[in-house]
Amino acid sequence: QVQLVESGGGLVKPGGSLRLSCAASGFTFSDYYMNWIRQAPGKGLEWVSYISSSGNTIYYADSVKGRFTISRDNAKNSLYLQMNSLRAEDTAVYSCARLPAATYWYFDLWGRGTLVTVSS
Amino acid sequence: EIVMTQSPATLSVSPGERATLSCRASQTVTTNLAWYQQKPGQAPRLLIYGASTRATGIPARFSGSGSGTEFTLTISSLQSEDFAVYYCQQYNDWPPTFGQGTKVEI
Repeated sequence: QVQLVESGGGLVKPGGSLRLSCAASGFTFSDYYMNWIRQAPGKGLEWVSYISSSGNTIYYADSVKGRFTISRDNAKNSLYLQMNSLRAEDTAVYSCARLPAATYWYFDLWGRGTLVTVSS
Repeated sequence: EIVMTQSPATLSVSPGERATLSCRASQTVTTNLAWYQQKPGQAPRLLIYGASTRATGIPARFSGSGSGTEFTLTISSLQSEDFAVYYCQQYNDWPPTFGQGTKVEI
């Protein structure tokens, strides 16, 4: 079954850290470009970060640059998001999502997401 | 960044009726526009890309149109499983940006 499953969310205090994981199955993970996208409560979708299939090219949204780090382990079919210096405004459901190809920036497969709550 | 504006925020329709959802971009995105469907507790599902191309497995009752800054998603005859939130997304310019969503309800 082709799917993405996120884990690692939870409650963290402002300034704290959290590492999210995304497990891929049912397709050749190493062939695809991956992303993290978040949705704050009652808000719209916000693209957060991108990593190329090899991991050599990485992009971040300005809102998380310098605080978040995306990575992947193709041998484990897994995508990660290390989140440091967390703020209340980072509270959201974080989903991993796949690009169908490098030049097409729409997302053809999404996970259900994992909730990150930043609160004291 | 390009701002995507969807209207209406909520659309009340009956099963079997036609639903028309709008999406406007703050500057041209040519036809680099996608639509997604999201049901509570589920992952978003890609419906349309390239403004008008249905994704794999998407029923023919879903159709997309438009180019430039004005886009429309039409559901020709609403089924019970179509009640959900719909998002548009541009990918003509970096970063990719999404609209705020239209909730289609009974």
